[in-house]
Amino acid sequence: DQQVKQNSPSLSVQEGRISILNCDYTNSMFDYFLWYKKYPAEGPTFLISISSIKDKNEDGRFTVFLNKSAKHLSLHIVPSQPGDSAVYFCAASGFRNTDKLIFGTGTRLQVFP
Amino acid sequence: DSGVTQTPKHLITATGQRVTLRCSPRSGDLSVYWYQQSLDQGLQFLIQYYNGEERAKGNILERFSAQQFPDLHSELNLSSLELGDSALYFCASSVAPSGLSYEQYFGPGTRLTVT
Repeated sequence: DQQVKQNSPSLSVQEGRISILNCDYTNSMFDYFLWYKKYPAEGPTFLISISSIKDKNEDGRFTVFLNKSAKHLSLHIVPSQPGDSAVYFCAASGFRNTDKLIFGTGTRLQVFP
Repeated sequence: DSGVTQTPKHLITATGQRVTLRCSPRSGDLSVYWYQQSLDQGLQFLIQYYNGEERAKGNILERFSAQQFPDLHSELNLSSLELGDSALYFCASSVAPSGLSYEQYFGPGTRLTVT
């Protein structure tokens, strides 16, 4: 049972444009959501997070939006840069007694010149 | 650099063998997590330790075990290895006490190949 889903395995965007990565979840008990970026042969790198009490969090070029009623979150990258090319994972947590993360399967973003 | 270190970086071993993966968390972090990433899969949570004690278990096989030592480093032991255990194994750490949500910081991973 995949509780966190990233339905787009890949996304290709032109440099300077907006990249929108989507994530859906099924468990209404999740109360904290995170986005990670992963380059080949490296560990995931934390990008940005959002608590369920908010609907938007912004950090520089990265903005995460949360729609609790739709159980949907998205990551916007504006403007996209070639260095943003990586695999992006959505993750969720909110379990009693643990803050383990449940990850989606990732979306590979390619930003071309 | 996340501040989380993992050794070894690569490990090649045969079926039936036993290996130990090591992780040192960021300075000050009390929680350590282990995740497995198989080919083309997302990261699967295996186990969490907080300040030396097991806090949560995920999809961890009985052939696998872990511990966290007084200096807070952690080891993941994999025994009776099978071909399907070939994967990337990531360690992550956070400052969080259990029940609260904080960012986790990941090490570079150990790539295990079972032949």
